[in-house]
Amino acid sequence: QKEVEQNSGPLSVPEGAIASLNCTYSDRGSQSFFWYRQYSGKSPELIMSIYSNGDKEDGRFTAQLNKASQYVSLLIRDSQPSDSATYLCAGEDSNYQLIWGAGTKLIIKP
Amino acid sequence: DAGVIQSPRHEVTEMGQEVTLRCKPISGHDYLFWYRQTMMRGLELLIYFNNNVPIDDSGMPEDRFSAKMPNASFSTLKIQPSEPRDSAVYFCASSLNRGLDQPQHFGDGTRLSIL
Repeated sequence: QKEVEQNSGPLSVPEGAIASLNCTYSDRGSQSFFWYRQYSGKSPELIMSIYSNGDKEDGRFTAQLNKASQYVSLLIRDSQPSDSATYLCAGEDSNYQLIWGAGTKLIIKP
Repeated sequence: DAGVIQSPRHEVTEMGQEVTLRCKPISGHDYLFWYRQTMMRGLELLIYFNNNVPIDDSGMPEDRFSAKMPNASFSTLKIQPSEPRDSAVYFCASSLNRGLDQPQHFGDGTRLSIL
């Protein structure tokens, strides 16, 4: 059974701090990973994608991938109240099928 | 550019009725996906199409569910007869292709309530 696991949270982070969201996956054949943000009552929207080991930065967001440990993370620097949302991690298996995590609810406290 | 367009945004109907959800993918996207999202089960892939052809419908919960894509710009998901446990948010998504640089773009979803 291919799985992507995330802590459901909520993860509470003070405004201005770094929020760290984590995700583990079971399928070693997964090559690509995506982080989606979903505001309450809205649809998921893509934040970042990553397929190489290491870090990938885009503005305040950094995605990290460690294929040996089967671990993906998303760091949000200088957290803002507008970052409060549920963050979905998805891994793409060898059939290009996205395997979705259940999501982590992030709360940024002003 | 217009995104993925779904209709209706909300649907409330009684058990046993037929429900039809509609989706218009982003123009030029070859892949279309239907998802269902609930608190208990999260985001579940129901079926996806490539160039209007259904590729994998293993996520369709039972025969009451059916999906069609008669052309590149329109797809429907039908539930007949509907049951209260079908209540969920149904998302349609499309992508240009598969792979890292081809993310899925989601519509606003249809919030379905079966009484």
